[in-house]
Parts: sequence; structure tokens; C-alpha cells
Amino acid sequence: AQSVTQLDSQVPVFEEAPVELRCNYSSSVSVYLFWYVQYPNQGLQLLLKYLSGSTLVKGINGFEAEFNKSQTSFHLRKPSVHISDTAEYFCAVTRFGNEKLTFGTGTRLTIIP
Amino acid sequence: NAGVTQTPKFQVLKTGQSMTLQCAQDMNHEYMSWYRQDPGMGLRLIHYSVGAGITDQGEVPNGYNVSRSTTEDFPLRLLSAAPSQTSVYFCASRPASGSPSTQYFGPGTRLTVL
Repeated sequence: AQSVTQLDSQVPVFEEAPVELRCNYSSSVSVYLFWYVQYPNQGLQLLLKYLSGSTLVKGINGFEAEFNKSQTSFHLRKPSVHISDTAEYFCAVTRFGNEKLTFGTGTRLTIIP
Repeated sequence: NAGVTQTPKFQVLKTGQSMTLQCAQDMNHEYMSWYRQDPGMGLRLIHYSVGAGITDQGEVPNGYNVSRSTTEDFPLRLLSAAPSQTSVYFCASRPASGSPSTQYFGPGTRLTVL
């Protein structure tokens, strides 16, 4: 079985400050990892994904994440946030050939002007 | 190309009523899924389908039925609505490529059961 833990349910950050949203996973086999963003009253949109290769992946809107197999983490980072980044962010995991995408409980990012 | 569409956007039901949430995609994706989103619980998989005529249960299937008669449509049926089914429901689709690819999500249906 696979699981995802997002320890921070809410993260307030000042505008133009850096942010890191934490994600840890557990799985007995190799996994694929995703970060999704949900803007208010909208569906989910893919930010970035790790399937294989370079452990540092870059996504849309200036976000990036680093896959760390030894620490079973896939933390999301942005060097300078904007008001428009206010949203809920979900980490998700699946394994090859498995349709069951397992989501974390989400982190609500609030940008303080 | 409309992507994944869901109807209705909002729905209020009384306990015991039945209804069908509609989901359609025009990308010819083989895989389709239904999730529910509840506060503090993220998204949980209800049912999924890997192609027309093939469906399987996800994490929380009780109280829901699905069928897949065409590639485009994947309706979710609530047989007898309960207050515990108050949630936001998302449909998603993706192509059956050799490795996991992006799931495309619909805009969601907000369901309230009184």
C-alpha cells in the first residue's frame, strides 16, 4: 500500500518570500509523485510530476520539487511567492500500472501582502 | 476541446433520493476516475475505469455505482443519498500510456445531502 503525508495543513507566507510545502510518502515499491494545485472553487491542475530521471523537477508558475528517495520526500518549493499563489496544494503518489492515485490531505497556502 | 466536463456544478438532495453525476471527456482517454474531496481528507478514489465496459472499486465505493458504456462518459450514481455523501466530487481522465501521465480533472460537482 502507498500513502502520502502532508504535515502542514496551512502555511502563511509573506509575499515575495520563499516557501516550502512538505510531502512525505511511503511505499514498498517505486513510485511516481505529483503535486497538484487547486485554486478557489476550481478543479485540480497539475503543477509538476516526477516519473524518473533527474530528482529536481520544475513545474509551472515557478514551482519546483525535489525527489529524495532516502528520505521518502517530495517537497515543493518556490523562491518568491505571489498573491496569485494562494491555493490549496496536494501531493499525490501512484505506482506504475496502478490507477489508484493516492492524495495527501492538502496544504492551504496563504500569501500575506 | 472541452477537456473533462461535469454536470451539475451544484446539487442539493434530500436523504434517500437518488441522482447521477455526469462526467464526459473529449480527449479519447481510456482511463477515467471519480474522487470525492472532503475537508482535511484530501481526495479519495471512489471508482475508476480502464476502458469501456470495465470498472473497478477505489478506496470509498460504498453507496455509489458506476458504468462505462462509452469511452467518453463515466456517470456516477448515488442510489440512496446520505448526509455522509455531502462532498465535492471530481471526475478525472488520462490516456492509457505506458507510464503514469497527467490526470485531467473536471471542475467538480458540489453535492449537499440534507
